[in-house]
Amino acid sequence: AQTVTQSQPEMSVQEAETVTLSCTYDTSESDYYLFWYKQPPSRQMILVIRQEAYKQQNATENRFSVNFQKAAKSFSLKISDSQLGDAAMYFCASPQGSNFGNEKLTFGTGTRLTIIP
Amino acid sequence: DAGITQSPRHKVTETGTPVTLRCHQTENHRYMYWYRQDPGHGLRLIHYSYGVKDTDKGEVSDGYSVSRSKTEDFLLTLESATSSQTSVYFCAIRRHTNTEAFFGQGTRLTVV
Repeated sequence: AQTVTQSQPEMSVQEAETVTLSCTYDTSESDYYLFWYKQPPSRQMILVIRQEAYKQQNATENRFSVNFQKAAKSFSLKISDSQLGDAAMYFCASPQGSNFGNEKLTFGTGTRLTIIP
Repeated sequence: DAGITQSPRHKVTETGTPVTLRCHQTENHRYMYWYRQDPGHGLRLIHYSYGVKDTDKGEVSDGYSVSRSKTEDFLLTLESATSSQTSVYFCAIRRHTNTEAFFGQGTRLTVV
């Protein structure tokens, strides 16, 4: 069963606008890291941003930021000032409990983001 | 770029034949993973390794086996390929469980 849920298979946004991609996860770990990856048509997987679960402050990387709600197990990605180069498939990833904790990295089904010029 | 290489990059094989995909890293990372990517399913974990000769199953391990006899190499074997195993396969490596995963370029496997 998928433990990382991305409920928006596709989204579109006007260039220069802001868009938020949602992600919920389920882990029994108490201390963990969450990740957002971008996959452009080249198929390369590129790290966008990561969040440490024990940190209250939401992570930010330039135009990319997260809204992390630990109690709700929600980890959404906000892209500000959207650019044509942001068009890609976006995957959320979270750990799943295992032998030593955190080594299983599980991905969601992805959200395909289209940028409208 | 992280030193991770997958081979082959493309392969077409017949149903019932064994297939081995190779993942090679030059980073000395402890953790290595095999995922498959299919439309509508995202990336699904097949198997992973947390050290030499230490491996465990992921969510879609049936029909696949792995081996890791050296830190740098992680092999994925399809014992008897089926059409349902047609997919894009990604290898990934991680230094620690609190670090991101770095991915290979992917292998497109077609089983006919």
